[in-house]
Amino acid sequence: KQEVTQIPAALSVPEGENLVLNCSFTDSAIYNLQWFRQDPGKGLTSLLLIQSSQREQTSGRLNASLDKSSGRSTLYIAASQPGDSATYLCAVRRPNRDDKIIFGKGTRLHILP
Amino acid sequence: DTGVSQNPRHKITKRGQNVTFRCDPISEHNRLYWYRQTLGQGPEFLTYFQNEAQLEKSRLLSDRFSAERPKGSFSTLEIQRTEQGDSAMYLCASSLDSYNSPLHFGNGTRLTVT
Repeated sequence: KQEVTQIPAALSVPEGENLVLNCSFTDSAIYNLQWFRQDPGKGLTSLLLIQSSQREQTSGRLNASLDKSSGRSTLYIAASQPGDSATYLCAVRRPNRDDKIIFGKGTRLHILP
Repeated sequence: DTGVSQNPRHKITKRGQNVTFRCDPISEHNRLYWYRQTLGQGPEFLTYFQNEAQLEKSRLLSDRFSAERPKGSFSTLEIQRTEQGDSAMYLCASSLDSYNSPLHFGNGTRLTVT
């Protein structure tokens, strides 16, 4: 059974610092891993999707890496800003017909002005 | 592309009542997913459609829950005889018909059962 874990559950960082969020998964047989952002009371916004054959993806100040063999992904945020405060979730997609995309519980990030 | 739309945004109902939520996916997306999220948790998979076919249904979904996507476009999720434990955010997502297409979520329907 695929399980996705995100540590830490919460993180506070001063504005301007670079930071890394972690995601681990127990079954390395995945199609892809997707990082999302969720603001309070809102839905999820897709940030980056890394296919199983890829090692990393970049979008602006965000860089996501994937090490499928060790079951780990990281989301690197450069030069953090108060507007980056949100919950960040990762999700893995399995190569099964049921297409049950499995989510972690998220890391709640607070950027201190 | 107006994004995934969910209605209503909020629903307050009394225990025992039936509720129905609607999701309009991005127009060219033929995959549609329903998830449930409670405070401090990640979204939990409920069910998944490919076009009008419901291909998977979670064991979390009791007999009181039913979902439809009659013409392969919008979808409805109905909860009968609501219970307080049903209080949660119900999220809908859609994607293209490819395992490497990203999921796009709506803003959810927040259900409160009193």
